[in-house]
Amino acid sequence: GAGVSQSPSNKVTEKGKDVELRCDPISGHTALYWYRQSLGQGLEFLIYFQGNSAPDKSGLPSDRFSAERTGGSVSTLTIQRTQQEDSAVYLCASSLNVVSYEQYFGPGTRLTVT
Amino acid sequence: EDQVTQSPEALRLQEGESSSLNCSYTVSGLRGLFWYRQDPGKGPEFLFTLYSAGEEKEKERLKATLTKKESFLHITAPKPEDSATYLCAVQAWGAQKLVFGQGTRLTINP
Repeated sequence: GAGVSQSPSNKVTEKGKDVELRCDPISGHTALYWYRQSLGQGLEFLIYFQGNSAPDKSGLPSDRFSAERTGGSVSTLTIQRTQQEDSAVYLCASSLNVVSYEQYFGPGTRLTVT
Repeated sequence: EDQVTQSPEALRLQEGESSSLNCSYTVSGLRGLFWYRQDPGKGPEFLFTLYSAGEEKEKERLKATLTKKESFLHITAPKPEDSATYLCAVQAWGAQKLVFGQGTRLTINP
């Protein structure tokens, strides 16, 4: 079946602009995660959604970052007033539920802030 | 704080030359240890989940093992197509996030 999809695959933006990154999880997966991968930092957790529960936002690096998940499926990660240090690959993952919890990753969105 | 350390950072092998990658971890209570493969420009691809010390899992030329402090990814008679970065991650009980190591960049020369 179809895997996790993300769009756009690449995004170049000017410092100070807002960006939106989209994630479509695997159909039927109730849990959705956002991670960030940057050189020298490895993969770091940003936010987690499970069903209709309140999201776990503990990994968001600043209040410029926010995310929402509509209808329990598609998620959007928004970065306001982008900074150069936001340049990274943003990865989305989904898992079936909290019992079967292997996380399957999408291809990522490479964000470059100039 | 949960922590994962992978070694070596990079490993270059000849085709057919077997070796092992190491993942050392500290975690408050291990729910699962995960191995992923990541090719350049792509997202991590799930390989294995290990749940308890002594467990082993195999897939083609790869075998993952787990102790209370570390995991090994053994690669037997590798081929050039096994070249990739291999990532190890842990998940603690009560947490949903994965904590990743920095990865081992594996290159298999023909």
